[in-house]
Amino acid sequence: GAVVSQHPSWVICKSGTSVKIECRSLDFQATTMFWYRQFPKQSLMLMATSNEGSKATYEQGVEKDKFLINHASLTLSTLTVTSAHPEDSSFYICRGFDRSEAFFGQGTRLTVV
Amino acid sequence: AQKITQTQPGMFVQEKEAVTLDCTYDTSDPSYGLFWYKQPSSGEMIFLIYQGSYDQQNATEGRYSLNFQKARKSANLVISASQLGDSAMYFCAMSFTGTASKLTFGTGTRLQVTL
Repeated sequence: GAVVSQHPSWVICKSGTSVKIECRSLDFQATTMFWYRQFPKQSLMLMATSNEGSKATYEQGVEKDKFLINHASLTLSTLTVTSAHPEDSSFYICRGFDRSEAFFGQGTRLTVV
Repeated sequence: AQKITQTQPGMFVQEKEAVTLDCTYDTSDPSYGLFWYKQPSSGEMIFLIYQGSYDQQNATEGRYSLNFQKARKSANLVISASQLGDSAMYFCAMSFTGTASKLTFGTGTRLQVTL
């Protein structure tokens, strides 16, 4: 069945490095991908919305140069956290949408040390 | 602007009992959708139930039912016959312009099912 496969499920990186998170839509084409961030014991906050082939739309307060989103195809969207710092440690989760259905990825727990 | 409120940070329920998780919302848009998700400690978001603003009947999915009171702008989740595996965070969410557009989430309720 249709799913969104998100990788990695967890990652630990050193401060100053970049981390790429991938979301692949399987058995459906995600025309839109939503990227959320969730700090511990908090709710999911929308970071950005990306449509295939166009630039992402970022929510207020989200640095677009820090959180690079690429949605080059209907089956793959990536979020790159550039020059990560400890305050970027969080749970990141994507949600793919194809006009009729939507599916969450499994999420990525990022720890920056 | 739309807003989702979950006033119960934590709830306890005994196994096999029913529990209601509260959710209220605020919007001036006549067309919207209301969702409930379960988030276990693994972090995945598990879809439970959906209610459209024009749906005449309350949504039900197995042990889950949504008590939709449009005039009160509330969409409470009722879990019947609670099981230990129901222990998790539960989020109410709202969307506009259809069933799968951008979601706005409430702050969540942590449910603990006890023996």
